[in-house]
Amino acid sequence: QKEVEQDPGPLSVPEGAIVSLNCTYSNSAFQYFMWYRQYSRKGPELLMYTYSSGNKEDGRFTAQVDKSSKYISLFIRDSQPSDSATYLCAMSANSGYSTLTFGKGTMLLVSP
Amino acid sequence: SQTIHQWPATLVQPVGSPLSLECTVEGTSNPNLYWYRQAAGRGLQLLFYSVGIGQISSEVPQNLSASRPQDRQFILSSKKLLLSDSGFYLCAWNGVPDTQYFGPGTRLTVL
Repeated sequence: QKEVEQDPGPLSVPEGAIVSLNCTYSNSAFQYFMWYRQYSRKGPELLMYTYSSGNKEDGRFTAQVDKSSKYISLFIRDSQPSDSATYLCAMSANSGYSTLTFGKGTMLLVSP
Repeated sequence: SQTIHQWPATLVQPVGSPLSLECTVEGTSNPNLYWYRQAAGRGLQLLFYSVGIGQISSEVPQNLSASRPQDRQFILSSKKLLLSDSGFYLCAWNGVPDTQYFGPGTRLTVL
């Protein structure tokens, strides 16, 4: 079993839809969870950062962590064509110097 | 504010040629620095990380090497490139909140 599983997509939605992106993981020691957005031919940019379980909201984006199920989600409300990108989940067990474990990314396509 | 630079942005090299990719960080001191490779369908692969000048840890045995000659400079090198070295190379540093922040990347094609 891979440490982090993420559906590669592509996930195609119409503009305005609610998007749900997910990752599952196997290492119960993970407690820091991140979502990165990567546009084509660009470096990943940090979108959301959460610690332990719970929800975090930032504008149209909501990150949700369920440690009991080893499952994290990113919700995008009112999706826009500019949200079309690959979304990478990442997680680590420790803060400070940390080796992140990444999912392979989900490609999202939002059509106008 | 902190900024991370990588160059070159794009590189096409023949098999067997040497490689040198450079990463520099501005606006911070003594950062942890990382080199990743991203190949199609394989996700992000951590190659090297450094916690200080001259301190390099390798995550994957290969024909690549890394050096950190200055606090905010991280260099990825190879003496002889292989076809399998093609990919998108990303440099990252750790900032606030305590996670990694990526540079713009270098796209390397080995022919």
